[in-house]
Amino acid sequence: QQQVKQSPQSLIVQKGGISIINCAYENTAFDYFPWYQQFPGKGPALLIAIRPDVSEKKEGRFTISFNKSAKQFSLHIMDSQPGDSATYFCAASIKTSGSRLTFGEGTQLTVNP
Amino acid sequence: DAGITQSPRHKVTETGTPVTLRCHQTENHRYMYWYRQDPGHGLRLIHYSYGVKDTDKGEVSDGYSVSRSKTEDFLLTLESATSSQTSVYFCAISDGGGNYEQYFGPGTRLTVT
Repeated sequence: QQQVKQSPQSLIVQKGGISIINCAYENTAFDYFPWYQQFPGKGPALLIAIRPDVSEKKEGRFTISFNKSAKQFSLHIMDSQPGDSATYFCAASIKTSGSRLTFGEGTQLTVNP
Repeated sequence: DAGITQSPRHKVTETGTPVTLRCHQTENHRYMYWYRQDPGHGLRLIHYSYGVKDTDKGEVSDGYSVSRSKTEDFLLTLESATSSQTSVYFCAISDGGGNYEQYFGPGTRLTVT
């Protein structure tokens, strides 16, 4: 059972454009929603995270939008750069269950110069 | 990689042989996790530990066992490796205590022939 669904699988954006990746979850007990960035041959790195008591969180060019009623959240990358080309994973966890992460399938982002 | 090392980084083994992967942390974090990463599946939790000698199963635990005799080390053992266990394995750590953040190691690429 895939509890976190991520789309699109791949995304190509021009330099300076906005990259948008979407995730939907099923379990309403999730209370933490991080996004990870992964470069080839490396481990995932925590990029930005949100808790369900806020609808938006911004850190630099990266913004998470959260819609609790729709059980959806998304990552927006403003002014996308070639260096942002990587695989992005959304995830969700429940603190009382050891904060185990349930991941989406991943989105491969390519930013063309 | 937040003071996390994994060994070996690459391993090729034959079907039916036992394999042990090691995760070592220098952060003194309470929680440690083993995930596997496969194309189209994101990362999936195998086992996790919430303290020395305290472990629990994740969503894909069949065929794997773990041990944690010291805070800094978390071992993942494949008792009898199968080709379906060919994957990239990531260790992660978290300090718990209200902090949800998980930090990942560099990964181990395991090939079972």
